[in-house]
Amino acid sequence: QVQLQESGPGLVKPSETLSLTCTVSGGSISSYDWSWIRQPPGKGLEWIGYIYYSGSTNYNPSLKSRVTISVDTSKNQFSLKLSSVTAADTAVYYCARGSPFYYGSSGYYYSFWGQGTLVTVSS
Amino acid sequence: DIQMTQSPSSLSASVGDRVTITCRTNQSIRSYLNWYQQKPGKAPKVLIYAASSLQSGVPSRFSGSGSGTDFTLTISSLQPEDFATYYCQQSYSTPRTFGQGTKVEIK
Repeated sequence: QVQLQESGPGLVKPSETLSLTCTVSGGSISSYDWSWIRQPPGKGLEWIGYIYYSGSTNYNPSLKSRVTISVDTSKNQFSLKLSSVTAADTAVYYCARGSPFYYGSSGYYYSFWGQGTLVTVSS
Repeated sequence: DIQMTQSPSSLSASVGDRVTITCRTNQSIRSYLNWYQQKPGKAPKVLIYAASSLQSGVPSRFSGSGSGTDFTLTISSLQPEDFATYYCQQSYSTPRTFGQGTKVEIK
């Protein structure tokens, strides 16, 4: 069974960089797409972006100038960096695996999720 | 960006009720629509993908329908464990947007 686990600091100061890592177990990261999704307390879900195992990325335009997603296939991990954070970036951050509807499909759904990690931006 | 509008935002229902949640998009997304269930403090869980395909392990009381711009999630007979928040999500184009959620509460 594929499992994902987020790790990283739970508290980040304003203007600094939020850094999280997602470790994938029970399966290889060398296929599928791998996303970061966040949820501010009491609010809905916001897609941050994804990376393919090949390294190609796609980011939400609303965050694009501040986001970097990278992958380390040797460690079966992918990571998120979000720079110049403010209180508005306080959220539970989830990593998730995007699976195609069927082989070769351009449609994807999130079949596996990490448990989520709360990151608070505060001085 | 593709805008997703769910309705209602919340509803109260009783065990055994038939529940319908609607998701509307501002442009056609063909059948590139997924439904998730989220319980407090937990990650979302996929119920339906590609508008109408039931994810393995999900009870058959959940069903999805629709294509283009109008989609529906139906719970045929609400069970106690179904009280949760439900989200639609499109993967037709990036950014992969979510609906604002529908909270299903106990009447």
